[in-house]
Amino acid sequence: GESVGLHLPTLSVQEGDNSIINCAYSNSASDYFIWYKQESGKGPQFIIDIRSNMDKRQGQRVTVLLNKTVKHLSLQIAATQPGDSAVYFCAESLSGYSTLTFGKGTMLLVSP
Amino acid sequence: ETGVTQSPTHLIKTRGQQVTLRCSSQSGHNTVSWYQQALGQGPQFIFQYYREEENGRGNFPPRFSGLQFPNYSSELNVNALELDDSALYLCASSPITSRFTEAFFGQGTRLTVV
Repeated sequence: GESVGLHLPTLSVQEGDNSIINCAYSNSASDYFIWYKQESGKGPQFIIDIRSNMDKRQGQRVTVLLNKTVKHLSLQIAATQPGDSAVYFCAESLSGYSTLTFGKGTMLLVSP
Repeated sequence: ETGVTQSPTHLIKTRGQQVTLRCSSQSGHNTVSWYQQALGQGPQFIFQYYREEENGRGNFPPRFSGLQFPNYSSELNVNALELDDSALYLCASSPITSRFTEAFFGQGTRLTVV
């Protein structure tokens, strides 16, 4: 499949560990922040989003934290599995209906 | 599978040529957005089509153009190809009444310009 991970920051973890992927966003006016997962040969897949009036949001095995003071976003994946291996992108948007601005991405490698 | 289909999956073109990429949106989705993803980078927004009209455009030159058809499928056309146009081109479809969380990406078309 296609590789989108060349020259990306890489996080290597063992299966079962918790993973934390970080992202710095650029626009203090952004109202929505989203995490996407992109596997080799596939398009980005929505994971979870958070609105700017929230600090934390939890999904299934994932938690997103937002720190507006330092314009920082993080994705926590609990009990990481080999199937979580992919490139993870954060994205920001001025509103829920406006276009997305993606960050550069982080490759997550999970070893059995 | 997302239901968004792009064709072709790969193609190679020569600098200066023109290319047309195609996207069939998911059933019930009337908005299509196109993104360019260079190797090792995040996707960059090219433009969006809603009801056959361009509904927003990113920082791309006019030689990038598009169409949306009555069945909501879409084309991306690039004229006078340059080496830097080599990238993965993604389309995403969504219903206009929903947030981007309802957007689904296709698998992309890998364009190589030589």
